[in-house]
Amino acid sequence: EPEVTQTPSHQVTQMGQEVILRCVPISNHLYFYWYRQILGQKVEFLVSFYNNEISEKSEIFDDQFSVERPDGSNFTLKIRSTKLEDSAMYFCASSERLADTYEQYFGPGTRLTVT
Amino acid sequence: AQSVTQLGSHVSVSEGALVLLRCNYSSSVPPYLFWYVQYPNQGLQLLLKYTSAATLVKGINGFEAEFKKSETSFHLTKPSAHMSDAAEYFCAVRGATGGGNKLTFGTGTQLKVEL
Repeated sequence: EPEVTQTPSHQVTQMGQEVILRCVPISNHLYFYWYRQILGQKVEFLVSFYNNEISEKSEIFDDQFSVERPDGSNFTLKIRSTKLEDSAMYFCASSERLADTYEQYFGPGTRLTVT
Repeated sequence: AQSVTQLGSHVSVSEGALVLLRCNYSSSVPPYLFWYVQYPNQGLQLLLKYTSAATLVKGINGFEAEFKKSETSFHLTKPSAHMSDAAEYFCAVRGATGGGNKLTFGTGTQLKVEL
């Protein structure tokens, strides 16, 4: 069964460093998402991406964050200058269509630790 | 804005007992509601979804949920718990037309199944 994959599974970085989290969505999917979950808190929407542009973003997704689909398979989330409060589990998701019947498929997550 | 509230961050049941995980929603438009499950070190997997068709929704692994508009609830149930059901469960809401395609999650309920 097709699945969303994410690399790395764990990332440790120092405050102020740039990190890139990588995702490979399901191959025929057109909509891509990033969510994050700070330890002990709820899963929060960050951004959605379609047709090579951001379609929606949350207030969390400030200028420190960017997303990119550099080729036909990868979808990346970049954090330019990490802060301690960026430590969280980051989930990538993809869906085939926008309509409600097309569910979002989630990857296993990347645990980011900022020290 | 849509939101969901999950009552009980931890629920413990005996194997074979009824599982009831509670979720209440708040939405100004007819909502689309989802239950996701997360097993340790894995991504979020869709259990079931309500998209305004039938109010009683059956999902995978014997789970079901009933949409009750009068109570703004979408509780998840399973008649007989199995040890393999131990996981974290998330309720989520997505807005209908005009609400975008992002998911808004609850804080999650950790289900423990005891012998």
